Amino acid sequence: SQQGEEDPQALSIQEGENATMNCSYKTSINNLQWYRQNSGRGLVHLILIRSNEREKHSGRLRVTLDTSKKSSSLLITASRAADTASYFCATDDGDYKLSFGAGTTVTVRA
Amino acid sequence: ETGVTQSPTHLIKTRGQQVTLRCSSQSGHNTVSWYQQALGQGPQFIFQYYREEENGRGNFPPRFSGLQFPNYSSELNVNALELDDSALYLCASSTTGLGYTFGSGTRLTVV
Repeated sequence: SQQGEEDPQALSIQEGENATMNCSYKTSINNLQWYRQNSGRGLVHLILIRSNEREKHSGRLRVTLDTSKKSSSLLITASRAADTASYFCATDDGDYKLSFGAGTTVTVRA
Repeated sequence: ETGVTQSPTHLIKTRGQQVTLRCSSQSGHNTVSWYQQALGQGPQFIFQYYREEENGRGNFPPRFSGLQFPNYSSELNVNALELDDSALYLCASSTTGLGYTFGSGTRLTVV
């Protein structure tokens, strides 16, 4: 079973626009991580936010975490064609395994 | 530092056969995890190895087994392959369990 659920399942935006996707999870976590996957290949780690953090930035990425609502959001600003990919949230509950959602597929149109 | 390397990249097997997938972990990483990703789904945790011992297992049958070697590289073995085993198999390494480095995966097709 999957811990996280991403919303929306798919997103299509124009280059230069912002993309926002959300993740909800069910149990307590140590941290939450976001990954990108291009064309069914390996996962690329984007950002990790710990359970005691509320917001984190990395370049054009902004992640928020609300542990009271068991939810997180990933914002990609000023999107580029190269941002076209699937994005997954993954929770780490301290057992050193990651529980992934089904992902959000983002398409950036030129 | 080198990344995580998986081999082979693609593999086609017949139902009932056995398969071995290999993973070389990132330098300095002593923990290796394996995930199965079916088409259109998120990765599912298979098991993790830490210092050559299985450290946790997901909801997979015993015909999925693994090994970790003294150099921290790892193998995933699947016996009696079924059609539903067709998936992308991902290996990930880490040191502290925070922030994993994933390989590019092995695409297994069972026919």
